[in-house]
Amino acid sequence: GAGVSQSPSNKVTEKGKDVELRCDPISGHTALYWYRQRLGQGLEFLIYFQGNSAPDKSGLPSDRFSAERTGESVSTLTIQRTQQEDSAVYLCASTGWRALPYEQYFGPGTRLTVT
Amino acid sequence: GQQLNQSPQSMFIQEGEDVSMNCTSSSIFNTWLWYKQDPGEGPVLLIALYKAGELTSNGRLTAQFGITRKDSFLNISASIPSDVGIYFCAGRLGGNRDDKIIFGKGTRLHILP
Repeated sequence: GAGVSQSPSNKVTEKGKDVELRCDPISGHTALYWYRQRLGQGLEFLIYFQGNSAPDKSGLPSDRFSAERTGESVSTLTIQRTQQEDSAVYLCASTGWRALPYEQYFGPGTRLTVT
Repeated sequence: GQQLNQSPQSMFIQEGEDVSMNCTSSSIFNTWLWYKQDPGEGPVLLIALYKAGELTSNGRLTAQFGITRKDSFLNISASIPSDVGIYFCAGRLGGNRDDKIIFGKGTRLHILP
């Protein structure tokens, strides 16, 4: 595709509900990242997928957070039993050496609001 | 784990002034990247640096890959209102483009009216 896409662009959910966020990386990019960005804050690393290697989950804040990636394509980030502190923009990025642009390219993000 | 120390955390400047920000680490990096994030958008890559000592410009922006490979700076000349935003440095320790990238905490640039 032309760029990284994310869906939904906005999500409002009630506290305690589960949410699923989707990321479609640039075709051919082998690495995929999820970040969380609270209002006015920096990028908080969540998880990193690199090809077929085991993902680096060191940034996931709790066991309520999980992510999957099918091969080198779509990734989903799941947050179970959402809490108000989960409210943030969730950004996805991809990078790789087999497709331009080679460097990390970000999607527009999903803004999650937990009420 | 590895960390990038980005400074300053925020800057308040007058339009037309030059800006300088930097990123340092105790680790050696193979790639340095500089991104800008506008409000409500994802970060956008400004400049990528791949060799120690490399100096690269993109319009009014200039970035350098430090000789020690442990630091990088970004300069913006003759700032204009649209330069407002958050600037992030990022580094890659490995030599492959799909190796993990680490981000600094950002420099928030404000332009005084």
